[in-house]
Amino acid sequence: DAKTTQPNSMESNEEEPVHLPCNHSTISGTDYIHWYRQLPSQGPEYVIHGLTSNVNNRMASLAIAEDRKSSTLILHRATLRDAAVYYCILRGDSNYQLIWGAGTKLIIKP
Amino acid sequence: EPEVTQTPSHQVTQMGQEVILRCVPISNHLYFYWYRQILGQKVEFLVSFYNNEISEKSEIFDDQFSVERPDGSNFTLKIRSTKLEDSAMYFCASNGLAGGGVTQYFGPGTRLLVL
Repeated sequence: DAKTTQPNSMESNEEEPVHLPCNHSTISGTDYIHWYRQLPSQGPEYVIHGLTSNVNNRMASLAIAEDRKSSTLILHRATLRDAAVYYCILRGDSNYQLIWGAGTKLIIKP
Repeated sequence: EPEVTQTPSHQVTQMGQEVILRCVPISNHLYFYWYRQILGQKVEFLVSFYNNEISEKSEIFDDQFSVERPDGSNFTLKIRSTKLEDSAMYFCASNGLAGGGVTQYFGPGTRLLVL
């Protein structure tokens, strides 16, 4: 399975944009890039996913590098409720499961 | 908005006892999963289930574990003889279609404590 590398933790101020990086240098052509987050004491929650093009939804934006070896999750205006562990996960068309890394713990300072 | 539900939210059991964790996936979904998360550690895949059979399973999912979809709505994980190391948060998830671009929806989890 292709692996991802994320920083262990990041801090940001409330109401400022947050850019969470993810490296996936061994990504294959059919791997989708998924982002999930886990708020304290809750189940994982889908955030966004993409294949090649940048994606936007109501929660976040996903910027994918042209060579697809890295991506960045962008929270445009972080709130205290965005404090969570964010996971970058690659998922191929033949995979049913999600393979989880350690993720990035995002700390939001008021 | 439809959601995955899990019962019980907490379960305490004695080592060696059987436990059944229950999940109700989103109603039109076809693919079902169990994951676990030991306290302070990462989420680990246990098993996936489609068309009334196991699609994939990890090395954690040994003979002590089994899954079942006993009716049209429930999806269960049974641990036959619990060990101390089975203490963890267990998450059920589901999705409606196959493919790498499909979102998985997770339940709130069952916290299992084996004494």
